[in-house]
Amino acid sequence: SYVLTQPPSVSAAPGKTARITCGGSDIGSKTVHWYQQKPGQAPVLVVYDSSDRPSGIPERFSGSNSGNTATLIISRVEAGDEADYYCQVWDSDNDPWVFGGGTQLTVL
Amino acid sequence: QVVQSGAELKMPGASVKVSCKASGYAFSSHGFSWVRQAPGRGLEWMAFINGYSGATNYARKLQGRVTMTNDISTSTAYMELRSLTVDDTAIYFCARGQSGKKGWYFDLWGSGTLVTVSS
Repeated sequence: SYVLTQPPSVSAAPGKTARITCGGSDIGSKTVHWYQQKPGQAPVLVVYDSSDRPSGIPERFSGSNSGNTATLIISRVEAGDEADYYCQVWDSDNDPWVFGGGTQLTVL
Repeated sequence: QVVQSGAELKMPGASVKVSCKASGYAFSSHGFSWVRQAPGRGLEWMAFINGYSGATNYARKLQGRVTMTNDISTSTAYMELRSLTVDDTAIYFCARGQSGKKGWYFDLWGSGTLVTVSS
């Protein structure tokens, strides 16, 4: 089955840029979707199709995807961005929806 | 929006059936999945149902234990999980599927249903 690898934790100071990576074999050939989950809440889609933003999501959230790594980029980090972030791809060959293990973003 | 049924407490070996009622859009134009999250763990996809055709797709590790159904007349999707063990203790999220450029993602999530399996 397809495996997505995320770092367990990432930290960033307010106003700086946070980058959360998602590794997978030739992930650049797929589209990657990112979810934000705050404690006690359901996940929220923040980036879809690797780099598109749903309505209502700040422009500070963006994404890139190439080679074996996709990246969620959060610019001008705010305290309210502190959450767990999950990447997800669709893999038609196995269990279709594959999630990464999640990354906890800490705002210093 | 998507509204899920309430918390459940089950004995090991029992079954649980949780529901997810959609409103504000055409139910049959989307699919639904169930995604669960064990305490302190990540997200795990379980099952998918096509809102129009009723076709289903299940995670291999749950084959034979899980069944998804839907009722278009009430815009409700259901998930039944059988032969419960303590490892099934988790929050179960209903998530609306959306077709993207290369496959599907989830654009709308329910608030979650806590299922606790304990003797």
